[in-house]
Amino acid sequence: EADIYQTPRYLVIGTGKKITLECSQTMGHDKMYWYQQDPGMELHLIHYSYGVNSTEKGDLSSESTVSRIRTEHFPLTLESARPSHTSQYLCASSEATVKNIQYFGAGTRLSVL
Amino acid sequence: AQKITQTQPGMFVQEKEAVTLDCTYDTSDPSYGLFWYKQPSSGEMIFLIYQGSYDQQNATEGRYSLNFQKARKSANLVISASQLGDSAMYFCAMRDQGGSEKLVFGKGTKLTVNP
Repeated sequence: EADIYQTPRYLVIGTGKKITLECSQTMGHDKMYWYQQDPGMELHLIHYSYGVNSTEKGDLSSESTVSRIRTEHFPLTLESARPSHTSQYLCASSEATVKNIQYFGAGTRLSVL
Repeated sequence: AQKITQTQPGMFVQEKEAVTLDCTYDTSDPSYGLFWYKQPSSGEMIFLIYQGSYDQQNATEGRYSLNFQKARKSANLVISASQLGDSAMYFCAMRDQGGSEKLVFGKGTKLTVNP
């Protein structure tokens, strides 16, 4: 299993603020993902990375950006938060194996007022 | 494109009884992976069980087993001897075989275990 950590767990912030959601994993996994989940709904991929200096956009359009400077770290940034960004954000990582099981962090619940 | 369908928005089960959560999938790929995750009210996603499309036997992990019927494209999760702590949302997912290898999720089933 992966040890994957997300901070903060909860964030309430005003419109227009810049925020960074942190995600770190200690298992040396190359692949990392960010999913967005609205309450009671399924998850949708917004960003993924195959490794250092690799980032790609997912299916769900998002105004957020990500970076992957170190293997263990995959932060997500919103330059100017809006109420429409209110959601839960889940980070995951996986090994490069046939199963490619994704292990998730505890998530960040973001509320933009 | 892959699609996951979970037709049970909510399920109720008595403690210590078994329960089956339904999942059907659609894909044109011959090779695929199916996953079940548990999401408690605290929000984290907990991996439960994996089934590969070429696996000959149904997957089992402790009290969790997967009833995999390839011809019917179904991958139902069976939880035996339900416990109060099993109350949560359960998501079925399939790995996309495209570039991202993302997980495609169903809409989930909310399971409530009654004492």
